Amino acid sequence: GAVVSQHPSRVICKSGTSVKIECRSLDFQATTMFWYRQFPKKSLMLMATSNEGSKATYEQGVEKDKFLINHASLTLSTLTVTSAHPEDSSFYICSAVLGGSPTVGSPLHFGNGTRLTVT
Amino acid sequence: QKEVEQNSGPLSVPEGAIASLNCTYSDRGSQSFFWYRQYSGKSPELIMFIYSNGDKEDGRFTAQLNKASQYVSLLIRDSQPSDSATYLCAVTGSSNTGKLIFGQGTTLQVKP
Repeated sequence: GAVVSQHPSRVICKSGTSVKIECRSLDFQATTMFWYRQFPKKSLMLMATSNEGSKATYEQGVEKDKFLINHASLTLSTLTVTSAHPEDSSFYICSAVLGGSPTVGSPLHFGNGTRLTVT
Repeated sequence: QKEVEQNSGPLSVPEGAIASLNCTYSDRGSQSFFWYRQYSGKSPELIMFIYSNGDKEDGRFTAQLNKASQYVSLLIRDSQPSDSATYLCAVTGSSNTGKLIFGQGTTLQVKP
């Protein structure tokens, strides 16, 4: 089945530094990938929709200059958390679907997530 | 009103019982409905999906959809302790933006 690989699984960084998270679709081409953020005991919050070859679409309230998204190829999207602060500590999860929009024929598949801790 | 609502629980059932998880959604034009299971510290994994009214069964899992009532449920038969997790209901909106809207999740505890 479809597999989405996310790296790193866990990262600890100091306040003020930047962190890059990679999301790869391993056995299919993903024109669209989605980045979610999840706080403890909370549901997934969509941050942005990453579109191959064009700018990402950010959800309301998400700072595009802080969370830089690049979707340079059909199998790779990256999320860079710039000038990280402790409040950016969270579980970040990428997801992808064959065809761009999740349907029952092509459900959304998630990466394993990245646990970011900013000290 | 939240777009997708679930009772956060926890829902506690004894081993071997049927667990019933419920979800309501506000967008009447929603077309596709998904149930994801999420273990603590892990990312969600797809359990079931459904798009037409009625029941859909897959092993111990049954998804039920009632579009008129804007209601989707997940039944887990013969619940096992390994089923203990948070179950997320997700719905595609009618605007065809490709977004999946998640409920807050229901925590299920299956007690041996």
